[in-house]
Amino acid sequence: EVQLVESGGGLVQPGGSLRLSCAASGFSFGTYWMTWVRQAPGKGLEWVASIKEDGSEKYYVDSVKGRFIISRDKAKNSLHLQMSSLRADDTAVYYCARINQLDHFDYWGQGSLVTVSS
Amino acid sequence: SYVLTQPPSVSVAPGKTASITCEKDNIGGYSVHWYQQRPGQAPVLIISYDSDRPSGIPERFSGSNSGNTATLTISGVEAGDEADYYCQLWDTRSDLWVFGGGTKLTVL
Repeated sequence: EVQLVESGGGLVQPGGSLRLSCAASGFSFGTYWMTWVRQAPGKGLEWVASIKEDGSEKYYVDSVKGRFIISRDKAKNSLHLQMSSLRADDTAVYYCARINQLDHFDYWGQGSLVTVSS
Repeated sequence: SYVLTQPPSVSVAPGKTASITCEKDNIGGYSVHWYQQRPGQAPVLIISYDSDRPSGIPERFSGSNSGNTATLTISGVEAGDEADYYCQLWDTRSDLWVFGGGTKLTVL
C-alpha cells in the first residue's frame, strides 16, 4: 500500500525558515518523480515544486523560486521541502504527492499545516 | 498567467447528473486529470488522461476533453459526492503542473 506521511509543519514568523518532510513507503521511491502541492485556507490547490526520480531536475512555481528548495533522500525514501524567507501568503496545508507518468498525481499524503504569522 | 477556468460552484439533486467544466484555449491538446477533495481530506485522483478511472473509482465518474473544454461528469449523484473538484494538466512546454480553481459540488 502506497503511503505518504508529511511532517515538519508548524507556526513560523515571517522571514523564518521551516523544513517539511514526507516519508514514502509501499512503492519504489527512487523510480518516481515527487511533488509538493499546497492549499491556502479556503483556497484551491497550487502546485509548488517537483523533483525528478534521481534529483537531477527540479521545478518550482514562480512565487517560491529562490526561497524554497525541494530535495529527496533515496536511502531514506524521503522527500523534503526547505522553505526560507517565509511570508504570510505561504500559509497553507502542504501536501506531498507522487507523480505518475510525469503528468498527474496519483497518491497524496494527508498534508502538513504551515502557518506564517507573527 | 496560466489559467484553467472552472465554475466556482455546481448544484445538483440526488440521482441527477452533474457536469463540471474546465476551460482553456486548446485544452483538447492536453491530457486533463481530475481530483476530488472532500472537506478536511486530501485530494484523490478520480480521472486521469481525460477519461480513465483509477481502480476503485465508481463508473458514475467519467470525463471528456475536446476543443477548449474538458468535462467531468458524475451520473446518479449521491450525497457522498459533495466535495471540491479540481482539473489539472501538465504543460510539457513550460514544465509546469497547473490546477484549475476548483468547483464546489453541492448535492441538494
